[in-house]
Amino acid sequence: GAGVSQSPSNKVTEKGKDVELRCDPISGHTALYWYRQSLGQGLEFLIYFQGNSAPDKSGLPSDRFSAERTGGSVSTLTIQRTQQEDSAVYLCASSFTVGDNQPQHFGDGTRLSIL
Amino acid sequence: GNSVTQMEGPVTLSEEAFLTINCTYTATGYPSLFWYVQYPGEGLQLLLKATKADDKGSNKGFEATYRKETTSFHLEKGSVQVSDSAVYFCARGSQGNLIFGKGTKLSVKP
Repeated sequence: GAGVSQSPSNKVTEKGKDVELRCDPISGHTALYWYRQSLGQGLEFLIYFQGNSAPDKSGLPSDRFSAERTGGSVSTLTIQRTQQEDSAVYLCASSFTVGDNQPQHFGDGTRLSIL
Repeated sequence: GNSVTQMEGPVTLSEEAFLTINCTYTATGYPSLFWYVQYPGEGLQLLLKATKADDKGSNKGFEATYRKETTSFHLEKGSVQVSDSAVYFCARGSQGNLIFGKGTKLSVKP
């Protein structure tokens, strides 16, 4: 598509449930990024992919968070046993390649609410 | 460490006023610098960027100059409009990700 597409746009779930968030990057972009935006923490980097590889997973907040990317395109971010502090907007971005000077193009995000 | 600090908001201005949002960064070397804007209910959009010292990024009447001497990348606009009301984020490039400031909310009143 023309831009980064994320789904669902909103997700409400009960504490303890697992959730899966999806990101479809701009066609041809090899790099894909996940961020979390919350009121108290601002924009927090989670993980990035170059192709299907994630060289640095240190930004993931806990082992309940995981992400994968297959076929060099769509990525899913999975949160297991959700907690209330996981409530946030999860943003995905993509860029042509990984690099300091590469502008990242963002999707509209998934707003996750944990009851 | 590597960080980005921008002035706290909210900033409230009248239409046609001059805007400055300060941003400074810490880094080893000279990272690329960006300003992103988030309009109400929307995702982040790239506003402008600069990739080396003394570069000036500009877009939609906004400007920012990469100042290595002061490690700054302040955002300016000569005459703001109501439609500029949004949250502005300063960011610096890093290995594999962007490091963002906390954002500055701008409200422009008619």
